[in-house]
Amino acid sequence: ELKVEQNPLFLSMQEGKNYTIYCNYSTTSDRLYWYRQDPGKSLESLFVLLSNGAVKQEGRLMASLDTKARLSTLHITAAVHDLSATYFCAVDGRGSGNTGKLIFGQGTTLQVKP
Amino acid sequence: DGGITQSPKYLFRKEGQNVTLSCEQNLNHDAMYWYRQDPGQGLRLIYYSQIVNDFQKGDIAEGYSVSREKKESFPLTVTSAQKNPTAFYLCASRQDRPPKGYTFGSGTRLTVV
Repeated sequence: ELKVEQNPLFLSMQEGKNYTIYCNYSTTSDRLYWYRQDPGKSLESLFVLLSNGAVKQEGRLMASLDTKARLSTLHITAAVHDLSATYFCAVDGRGSGNTGKLIFGQGTTLQVKP
Repeated sequence: DGGITQSPKYLFRKEGQNVTLSCEQNLNHDAMYWYRQDPGQGLRLIYYSQIVNDFQKGDIAEGYSVSREKKESFPLTVTSAQKNPTAFYLCASRQDRPPKGYTFGSGTRLTVV
């Protein structure tokens, strides 16, 4: 059974600081997604990572994927208050017997303080 | 513009009542999904469908039912057998050819009164 675990689950940080959110998954997959969710809202797609070694950057966020380690990271550079949200990673289980299922981590709630 | 439309945005259900949440997409996507989100938690898969007239149970299907009679539509019925239905429900779709990411609707917030 595919499991996805994120850490930390809650992150409070000062503006201007850097930090990394980790996403581990339990079985083989080469498709990993990062989403952002604001309170009471739906999910906004941030990154789609489709191969080992993939790295994507958008503004102060950078995501990477290591399929051998079954690990993805979301790195935040020089955080600003607007990045405060909950971030989810999700893994497409099609390569692991979970055909067509997108399984989510628990989410990391990021709070950026001025 | 193409997208996924969920309705209603807010829904109130009385005890013992069945209610149906609508999900429509005009993206021509093959696969569609229903997720449930409880406060402060992640998303859990209820049902998914990869083609018309076919669907599979997710991790928490008990108390829910779906149909997929048209490619564009994937309604979710919350039955009276679902004892704790208060949650935020999200519908999603996925394009397979070429493979792209998942698109989410804006969600339906269901409350038992």
